Amino acid sequence: EVQLLESGGGLVQPGGSLRLACVASGFTFSDSAMTWVRQVPGQGLEWVSTIGADSKNTRYADSVEGRFIISRDNSRNMLYLRMDSLRAEDTAVYYCAKYAFTSARLFDYWGQGTLVTVSS
Amino acid sequence: EILMTQSPAALSVSPGERVTLSCRASQRVTSKLAWYQQKPGQAPRLLIYGASTRATGVPARFSGSGSGTDFTLTINSLQSEDFAVYYCQQHSDWPLTFGGGTKVEI
Repeated sequence: EVQLLESGGGLVQPGGSLRLACVASGFTFSDSAMTWVRQVPGQGLEWVSTIGADSKNTRYADSVEGRFIISRDNSRNMLYLRMDSLRAEDTAVYYCAKYAFTSARLFDYWGQGTLVTVSS
Repeated sequence: EILMTQSPAALSVSPGERVTLSCRASQRVTSKLAWYQQKPGQAPRLLIYGASTRATGVPARFSGSGSGTDFTLTINSLQSEDFAVYYCQQHSDWPLTFGGGTKVEI
């Protein structure tokens, strides 16, 4: 059974930093590109960042480019999102998700999310 | 950036009815369109990809159609468990973008 479990969310002040983590199980993690998607409570979904299976390729939404860094550790089945210079508008539930198919930019399994609140 | 527009934003229906949800892309995405279902307090669930292919385990009452810029998700004989928010997502180009969602409610 595929499982994705996020952690690391919490309350942080504007300008602060946070690192989210996602532990994966039930599939060959090192074969799958992974993604972070966020959702402001009560609102829609926003793609944040994607990393390739071998970490060679990364992509970011313009809204987080230069502030967030996606990474992974295939030996530990872990996905990370380092978030710096956080802003109030970064407040959201952050989901990690796996690619449904190689090179198909859609997501068949999602974690339950971790809430990040940026507020003073 | 490809903008995805869903309509209507919300609709009220009764169990057993047929529902049609629309999604329009600001640029052609060929058939690279996915649909997700999200229930309160849950993560999204992949329903349809490639505009018309049902994901594993998705009931046959869900069907998708369209190509280019206009897409439709149809739910035949709506069941109580189908009341949720539905999102479309283009998987054609970066940045990946989602529609604003359609809430299907009683």
